[in-house]
Amino acid sequence: AQKITQTQPGMFVQEKEAVTLDCTYDTSDPSYGLFWYKQPSSGEMIFLIYQGSYDQQNATEGRYSLNFQKARKSANLVISASQLGDSAMYFCAMREIQGGGADGLTFGKGTHLIIQP
Amino acid sequence: EAQVTQNPRYLITVTGKKLTVTCSQNMNHEYMSWYRQDPGLGLRQIYYSMNVEVTDKGDVPEGYKVSRKEKRNFPLILESPSPNQTSLYFCASSSGQVQPQHFGDGTRLSIL
Repeated sequence: AQKITQTQPGMFVQEKEAVTLDCTYDTSDPSYGLFWYKQPSSGEMIFLIYQGSYDQQNATEGRYSLNFQKARKSANLVISASQLGDSAMYFCAMREIQGGGADGLTFGKGTHLIIQP
Repeated sequence: EAQVTQNPRYLITVTGKKLTVTCSQNMNHEYMSWYRQDPGLGLRQIYYSMNVEVTDKGDVPEGYKVSRKEKRNFPLILESPSPNQTSLYFCASSSGQVQPQHFGDGTRLSIL
């Protein structure tokens, strides 16, 4: 079973609208971290936001916020007031702290977001 | 400036010719990792290192080797590259398990 599922392969959004990118995860580890990364067409991976499994409040970083619903195992990224420069691939990732497998980030397959003027 | 530096950025080579992709970080991070990115598959971890002289396999380690002789460097070695190792490779580092990983700019390898 996939550990990270991003159900939206691609999205078109009008500039200035808010965007929600979906991410669900699967883990039995009580301690984990959830991350979102942005990959523009130039290829680099840019860290956006982090949510810890024990964090009581949803994480926010500027125009980015993470809608963390632990019981539903979802960690959706919300981008407010989208801009043309937000067009990119977006990856959700998880790191299990006590997991018995390989340590490191497990990534979803990504959502290709295109912001239209 | 805090950064992870990979070299080379691009490489086209032939099957069987040993190659090394270097990775260096200047943030004194203990944790370093290599990923490969392939279309439709996202990023998958190849190897990781928790500290100097401590390395372990990720999800797709076959055909790769790594070493961690110094804290700042974590080279990826392809002893006998094959076409199925054509991919975009990323090195990453972090200061701890719940800290975000900082990625290098990527190395695009083409094995003919």
